[in-house]
Amino acid sequence: DSGVTQTPKHLITATGQRVTLRCSPRSGDLSVYWYQQSLDQGLQFLIQYYNGEERAKGNILERFSAQQFPDLHSELNLSSLELGDSALYFCASSVGGTSGTDTQYFGPGTRLTVL
Amino acid sequence: AQSVTQLGSHVSVSEGALVLLRCNYSSSVPPYLFWYVQYPNQGLQLLLKYTSAATLVKGINGFEAEFKKSETSFHLTKPSAHMSDAAEYFCAVTSAGGTSYGKLTFGQGTILTVHP
Repeated sequence: DSGVTQTPKHLITATGQRVTLRCSPRSGDLSVYWYQQSLDQGLQFLIQYYNGEERAKGNILERFSAQQFPDLHSELNLSSLELGDSALYFCASSVGGTSGTDTQYFGPGTRLTVL
Repeated sequence: AQSVTQLGSHVSVSEGALVLLRCNYSSSVPPYLFWYVQYPNQGLQLLLKYTSAATLVKGINGFEAEFKKSETSFHLTKPSAHMSDAAEYFCAVTSAGGTSYGKLTFGQGTILTVHP
């Protein structure tokens, strides 16, 4: 158990819908990262938040958005869902976020299926 | 930009045999390198990381990796495979420079199968 929690574990929805994925980081970690894992794209970095502020952005679609709240939990919002958005979404957390040496601890993921 | 190439999407070994999973990276700045393992239906777990200290890095479960700058490689090895090592392994790179911060760039993964 990494100490990172993600809810829900599974999510099945229809095209065009909007969903929210939630992540609680390990106690004391200030950074939250979101990754998408799909068969065709592999593991891809989406976005990072550090202590409530957006720190880095990757291959995140405009239909996707995220935020980190004062209690440091984070939410990833996916809207206008398409079949291709079906994937495993991971959240990770680390103590810092301003260097590359921090270990990122991954949650168990949320499996999103868009029908 | 940074990238990682894992040679071999599938590797199969016998129990007790040497495990060698290959990783080559590309980075314009000094890299930090990681190996993660993913068991079925689970998240990723860190095996080991290289952060510019010793080039030979020892990790959990008997795994180790050696950073070779001249070869831009960070191959993962284990002297003797165990059935419990069967999983998917990911090599990843990041750096402290530019806008990378802690952003991990992953390879495509290598599925390790261990035969009795």
